[in-house]
Amino acid sequence: DTAVSQTPKYLVTQMGNDKSIKCEQNLGHDTMYWYKQDSKKFLKIMFSYNNKELIINETVPNRFSPKSPDKAHLNLHINSLELGDSAVYFCASSQLAGESTQYFGPGTRLTVL
Amino acid sequence: SQQGEEDPQALSIQEGENATMNCSYKTSINNLQWYRQNSGRGLVHLILIRSNEREKHSGRLRVTLDTSKKSSSLLITASRAADTASYYCATPTQGGSEKLVFGKGTKLTVNP
Repeated sequence: DTAVSQTPKYLVTQMGNDKSIKCEQNLGHDTMYWYKQDSKKFLKIMFSYNNKELIINETVPNRFSPKSPDKAHLNLHINSLELGDSAVYFCASSQLAGESTQYFGPGTRLTVL
Repeated sequence: SQQGEEDPQALSIQEGENATMNCSYKTSINNLQWYRQNSGRGLVHLILIRSNEREKHSGRLRVTLDTSKKSSSLLITASRAADTASYYCATPTQGGSEKLVFGKGTKLTVNP
């Protein structure tokens, strides 16, 4: 049983395209997150949702738009992709915000050409 | 801004040796967590230590926390090749917000 799953695992696309990454968790958690891990392996939070409500929105270009259709899903849509968007994007979930353990998905490696 | 800083950035040891990684942070915390990331994978939670705890064990892992020095250490005893991974400390931002801030990680290589 996969706790936190993401699709696709790899995404290669051209500059200017629009793409989406999907995330689902079957842990019954209330909070979900999107992180970006750059080429230097630095992991930075982008967004957090709690029960479908946006609670954290870091300084991320508005080309990135998260969508949470229900508390088990948090998708990430990216418009007008740029070279600098190339990274590994991780979805995560936790029962409580902040203190509790976060469970990570396997990541989506996005390459923008 | 970044909260945790791991030290060293990279560590290479032989199987059977112990590995110690350190983490320093900047602000008051109510807990600190350690995660492991194998190459090409997501992060996996290892252990959480609360601010009122000084030491915690889990199998071959030992974590210490010194809130006066704002530092933590992760000790892996009797290391195995399978322990090869990057290790990150993470702390919630002040005020109990929902955000975990991760350090840059220590890349551990255990040579067979």
